[in-house]
Amino acid sequence: QITLKESGPTLVKPTQTLTLTCTFSGFSLTTPGVGVGWIRQPPGKALEWLALIYWDADKRYNYSPSLMSRLTITKDTSKNQVVLTMTNMDPVDTATYYCAHRRSGYGDYAYWGQGTLVTVSS
Amino acid sequence: QSVLTQPPSVSAAPGQKVTISCSGSNSNIANHYVSWYQQVPGTAPKLLIYENNKRPSGIPDRFSGSKSGTSATLDITGLQTGDEADYYCGTWDTSLSAWPDVFGTGTRVSVL
Repeated sequence: QITLKESGPTLVKPTQTLTLTCTFSGFSLTTPGVGVGWIRQPPGKALEWLALIYWDADKRYNYSPSLMSRLTITKDTSKNQVVLTMTNMDPVDTATYYCAHRRSGYGDYAYWGQGTLVTVSS
Repeated sequence: QSVLTQPPSVSAAPGQKVTISCSGSNSNIANHYVSWYQQVPGTAPKLLIYENNKRPSGIPDRFSGSKSGTSATLDITGLQTGDEADYYCGTWDTSLSAWPDVFGTGTRVSVL
């Protein structure tokens, strides 16, 4: 059974750096073909893809072109965790942040975490 | 701003059919698999369709997907009140070196 869960601060101040952790079980990020992505959703708005890391992270990770300068995605396979950092947070970054399991080459996210709401406010 | 365009809303009476379109381009839909997600407000998205037209276990055959050229379509037949939700298409885009995943603008389905 594959599960994912996001954790991190619920409130950050403008200009601060956000660090979110995705802790998963039921699969390994050392298995070929496996990836974990981050997707966010501002209140009342559409899904926005942020970043993705694959099992072969030294070769393949992707970022949203519009946010690339602010994002870093890393993995800790021993802890079954993926960490996303986003710098210079702004109120427009207020959103529910999801992590999800992705299959390389197929593009689908079959398993999602419950999401964590992050509010950016002073 | 998403590169995949969907109608903001569609509606129909119970038992009827709705069709949701997802319009893209040669760098995304035309050359890559399309997925569809259902999101009931306040919950995480749920995979409905993968590889253009396949259903995960547990998804009823009332939901079907197809793709033609730069567009994809999700059909929901025998509409039920429980189908009221937001629906998103997804794929990835190879117009840039980063190959980002992309989601559609989303469609709200209402049952009249």
